[in-house]
Amino acid sequence: IQMTQSPSSLSASVGDRVTITCRTSQNIGRYLNWYQQRPGKAPNLLIYGASSLQTGVPSRFSGSGSGTDFTLTISSLQPEDFATYYCQESYSTPPERTFGQGTKVEIK
Amino acid sequence: EVQLVESGGGLVQPGGSLRLSCAASGFTFSDHPMHWVRQAPGKGLEYVSAISANGGSTYFTHSVRGRFTISRDNSKNTLYLQMGSLRAEDMAVYYCARVSTSGYYDFDYWGQGTLVTVSS
Repeated sequence: IQMTQSPSSLSASVGDRVTITCRTSQNIGRYLNWYQQRPGKAPNLLIYGASSLQTGVPSRFSGSGSGTDFTLTISSLQPEDFATYYCQESYSTPPERTFGQGTKVEIK
Repeated sequence: EVQLVESGGGLVQPGGSLRLSCAASGFTFSDHPMHWVRQAPGKGLEYVSAISANGGSTYFTHSVRGRFTISRDNSKNTLYLQMGSLRAEDMAVYYCARVSTSGYYDFDYWGQGTLVTVSS
């Protein structure tokens, strides 16, 4: 399964609404997850099953989509949200679990 | 508290071998499939290998198949990655990750990572 994540980077200000998209090469239903990675740290699960918020993740994060087109939205960007975000498919068998290329969110 | 702690990384020459370990605590280890994911310097995340909860099924990305082995000891709550015939392109931070019970096979907990450097 091929993953196309866009944009590869973006500049935004605190308080901005940010949208990141992920497109897959085949229908994966809702088997799409989103992770945040801060520099020098391990990835952290934000959204699973396309739209379910992981416990402890702020509600300004949301996910949507199904099939081949998915979106991660940050409703009001906070200073701690400047990081790199990855989508991941979890549909494939055997479990390749391919990641998108990542989107780096930087301070404008 | 769920914890995953990797160890075993370090400097190895091309063609050499290394064994990574991931010690798990705070949950029933034998209930969860586990994965290894790596990240080369300045690059994105790459799936490396996976193992079923009972260790009976293993999977590898194409580039490491035949060179890496994944295993687990459920009595010791530990996951392993035996890496052989190492190449420069294997140099990366290696993370172990737990597959959640959500039904969507997401990775809900990750270790802090261990750095593997392949260089002569």
